[in-house]
This record gives sequence, C-alpha cells and structure tokens, in this order.
Amino acid sequence: AQKVTQAQTEISVVEKEDVTLDCVYETRDTTYYLFWYKQPPSGELVFLIRRNSFDEQNEISGRYSWNFQKSTSSFNFTITASQVVDSAVYFCALSEADGSEKLVFGKGTKLTVNP
Amino acid sequence: GAGVSQSPSNKVTEKGKDVELRCDPISGHTALYWYRQSLGQGLEFLIYFQGNSAPDKSGLPSDRFSAERTGGSVSTLTIQRTQQEDSAVYLCASSLLPSGGINEQFFGPGTRLTVL
Repeated sequence: AQKVTQAQTEISVVEKEDVTLDCVYETRDTTYYLFWYKQPPSGELVFLIRRNSFDEQNEISGRYSWNFQKSTSSFNFTITASQVVDSAVYFCALSEADGSEKLVFGKGTKLTVNP
Repeated sequence: GAGVSQSPSNKVTEKGKDVELRCDPISGHTALYWYRQSLGQGLEFLIYFQGNSAPDKSGLPSDRFSAERTGGSVSTLTIQRTQQEDSAVYLCASSLLPSGGINEQFFGPGTRLTVL
C-alpha cells in the first residue's frame, strides 16, 4: 500500500534561515512518482516538482532544492534563505504507475517564516 | 491561460440535503480528479476520470457520493443526504493525458462544504 509520512507537523523559522521539510514514502511498486505541492494561506495547491523513481538526481530551482534517496525512501525539500512568502503548508505526494494515477498525500508540514 | 475552476466556492447546507459541486478543468486536460481535504483526514483521493469514464472510484467514501463527467470536460460531484462528516473542502484537479509518465495535476481553488 502507498503511504507518505511527513513527520514535521509545523516548523517555524526566521527569515533567511535554511529549512528542510522531510518526506518518507512507502510503496511496493518499482515505478512511481513523487511530488511536492505548496498550499499558501489563500488555499490553492500549487505544483512544485515531480520526480520519477528512476531519476535520483537531485534538483535545484532557485532557492528550492530536492533530495531524492531511494535507499531511505525519502524525498526531502530544502528552502534556502527562506522568505516570509514561503509561509505555507507543504505537501509531499506519491503516485504509483498502476493506471489509477491518484495522488496519496502526506499530512503536510506547516511552515511559518517570521520576519 | 485559465486554470481549474470550481463552483460554488462555499456551500452551506442542512444535514440530509443533496449538494452538487462543479469542476471546470483546464482546457485540453483529459484527466480529472476529485479530492477532499479535511482537518482530521488530510487530503484524500475520491475519484479519477479519464475522458468521461471513471476507472478509479476507490476513494468515494459511501454510495451517497457520485460523480460524472460529460463531454470530456465539466465534472459534477454529487453528495446525497449530506452528513456533518461530509464537511470539508472538495478539490478538483486536472492533468494532460500522460505520455511516458504521470503528469502533474493542477488544482482548483476548492469548494468549502459545511453541513449543519
């Protein structure tokens, strides 16, 4: 069965600090996809990144970076030099390539960046 | 371009009434999904449409819930005889027909349903 665990319920940092959001997943499939979504206070989920299980290369996009490690079933998300606008709930999600395509979400991590 | 739209944005209803929630996906997106977000359960998958058919309905919590999609576009989620535990934000998402992998899903703003 698919499962995504985001152990950090809430994180609070001061602006310009780096912060890492943890995500651990469980799946029996060898082909799967991992996602991160951001949900700002306005409420709409915003897609951030998708990785497939065959690509363990880490990715950097501006201040955002993702560390995918199959050996530990983790897909962690780091924000460098955090800003107040990064305050949001961040969701990690998993989808198995079994035709259903449904996303299984973690419970989310609420990040608050204080000025 | 236009994103996923949902209506109404808020719906307050009395226990036992039926409600209909509407989703307009991004033009050209053949895949459409309904999810539910509640404080206790987080984000849960409800149903997936590819075109007008629903190959995965596994997330519908009871037979009071149904959904349809017409013309490969608009979808309606219907909840009959609403209960207080149905109170949640209902989210719709759409994506392109995947080629070589699962495409990212783009979410609408949601419909906040409150059952009194």
